[in-house]
Order: sequence, then C-alpha cells, then structure tokens
Amino acid sequence: VMTQSPLSLPVTLGQPASISCSSSQSLVHSNGDTYLHWFQQRPGQSPRRLIYKVSNRDSGVPDRFSGSGSGTDFTLKISRVEAEDVGVYYCVQGTHWLTFGPGTKVDIK
Amino acid sequence: EVQLVQSGAEVKKPGDCLKISCEGSGFRFTDYWIGWVRQMPGKGLEWMGIIRISDSYTLYTPSLQGQVTISADISINTAYLQWSSLKASDTAIYYCARSMGGTNMVDYWGQGTLVTVSS
Repeated sequence: VMTQSPLSLPVTLGQPASISCSSSQSLVHSNGDTYLHWFQQRPGQSPRRLIYKVSNRDSGVPDRFSGSGSGTDFTLKISRVEAEDVGVYYCVQGTHWLTFGPGTKVDIK
Repeated sequence: EVQLVQSGAEVKKPGDCLKISCEGSGFRFTDYWIGWVRQMPGKGLEWMGIIRISDSYTLYTPSLQGQVTISADISINTAYLQWSSLKASDTAIYYCARSMGGTNMVDYWGQGTLVTVSS
C-alpha cells in the first residue's frame, strides 16, 4: 500500500513544496534497484513521469524537481513552485506489481 | 519521438462489448510491455494489467481478472483493452502506458480514452 502526504498542498508561487510517499513494504527489488517513480498529472492531461528510480529526473523535466529517499520512504521536492506545476502528483512503485499512491493535489494559494 | 495514440471516446450501453486501442510509434514496439490504467471520474489511477508485446504474455490485477482482456497485434504496433459486457461502473478514462521490464519502468502514456457506459 502506498500512502502520500499531504493529499492537498496549496502553495505560494516561488515557494518550495514537498510531498512524502511511504510504502508498506521495502521497494528495493531483488536486483538492487528501487522502482519508485513520480508522475505529474496536469488538469485534463495524461500523467507524465518526472522522476524515475527515486532520484533520476526525466529528460525535459526542470531541475526545480528533485526526488530522494530509500527503502519505504520517499520525497518529491519542488524548489520554487511555478504556475505550470499545478496538478496532481503520484508516487508509483513498480517493484511489486504496480501500485499508485492516492495523489497529492498541488494548487496555488 | 515516442508516441502512444489511443482510439477515441466511446459511449456504450450496459451489456455492450467494446475494444479500445493504443498504437505505438517512435520505438521498437516488441521491446516493451504495454499496460492499461483506469481513472474513474474524479478518482486516482488504478493499474489494470500489462502485456509483454513480444509474446503476448499477459498479467492482470487480481480484482480485474476475467473482467477485461488485454491483447496486441504486433503487425500494426497496437495494443488493445476489451470488455465482453460493459457495466455502468466501467465508466472511466483508460490510459495505456509503456513499460520496460514488466511493471518496473513505466514511462510514456497515451492521451486516454473516455468510456461512458449509460443506459
């Protein structure tokens, strides 16, 4: 089971934001990799992967997004929130089948 | 450029059958798996199942086993999700997503197909 907090995150433009994700079991695969990813779903769009395997930014993703964590606890940080960052953020684990966190809705105060 | 292009929106009645599609381009289709994700109105994402394109080996989320069928046609780089008898509760947006190594590395997603089931 994947949990996220907070589920709603109003932020001020230019300010940092942080989303936590926890798993009920370790996400370390038998091959040593940790398949924990972060996806962004903007309103009316399909999900887009931002971060793969905990801390690797996908191509084209602004460097204000960063991921960290290990084992069962992970964090997505946005260093300075911009208007285009509004949407729902999901942590997704691909180690044990595939499950999504419930999502964190980020909007502007 | 990697693209997954899904078929258009559908409006069906309970009991109808339906098959929606997901066409891949910009990558070697047979090197990947294609999964399907359900998003019910106003809700989060739910993984439904996945198919290994090279040999059509398929896995389903246990709660959906027998409710849907996932298939693929490598001659036209297309994966499918089908229902034999729709229910109103199948109303949702359905996304296809590409993955490497089973469910390990989901990356690109299709634009979604809205399925509405109503009498």
